Amino acid sequence: SQQGEEDPQALSIQEGENATMNCSYKTSINNLQWYRQNSGRGLVHLILIRSNEREKHSGRLRVTLDTSKKSSSLLITASRAADTASYFCATAFNTNAGKSTFGDGTTLTVKP
Amino acid sequence: DAMVIQNPRYQVTQFGKPVTLSCSQTLNHNVMYWYQQKSSQAPKLLFHYYDKDFNNEADTPDNFQSRRPNTSFCFLDIRSPGLGDAAMYLCATSRGAGDLYSNQPQHFGDGTRLSIL
Repeated sequence: SQQGEEDPQALSIQEGENATMNCSYKTSINNLQWYRQNSGRGLVHLILIRSNEREKHSGRLRVTLDTSKKSSSLLITASRAADTASYFCATAFNTNAGKSTFGDGTTLTVKP
Repeated sequence: DAMVIQNPRYQVTQFGKPVTLSCSQTLNHNVMYWYQQKSSQAPKLLFHYYDKDFNNEADTPDNFQSRRPNTSFCFLDIRSPGLGDAAMYLCATSRGAGDLYSNQPQHFGDGTRLSIL
């Protein structure tokens, strides 16, 4: 399967703590994207990182990509209750132009 | 605001009764996607359009069809829904940019939750 796999499946932290989620994949990618999904809503794009990039930042979000290990991580710093959501990585493979394959996601709960 | 709109948010249909879900977008994106998402699972791509070119996934059941009459609208038709088709259906768009349009972020609607009686 080309699907990315997130780890952990579920994460529960206190407000103000940092949250780290990981995504691993099996074949060479063109890019990797992270999305957030609030309960009952659609997905919201967070960050896209290309295969030739190692790190990207957006506000409290930091994404790293290690193509040698075929893995990516999403770090949310100083978490807030509003960050409670499911987070998905989506991988675009070189052989599948136009498509991204989503992993099963990490469910993050931030307790106030 | 430019957006992706899915109607209805909730749809109930009977086993075997055809149902159509709709998606419209004001982003003027040339790529539109349909995903199926079951509880606590990854969104699963059913098919997508690049302009008028239809791209079906190999494992999408024949029961699922799609139409895109113009840039703004896309429809998902389920010809004979079974109990296993109960799910959230998500529409997404992206800006096509040549062969590797997967480099573009996708913009999602809030989905239609389909229930089968």
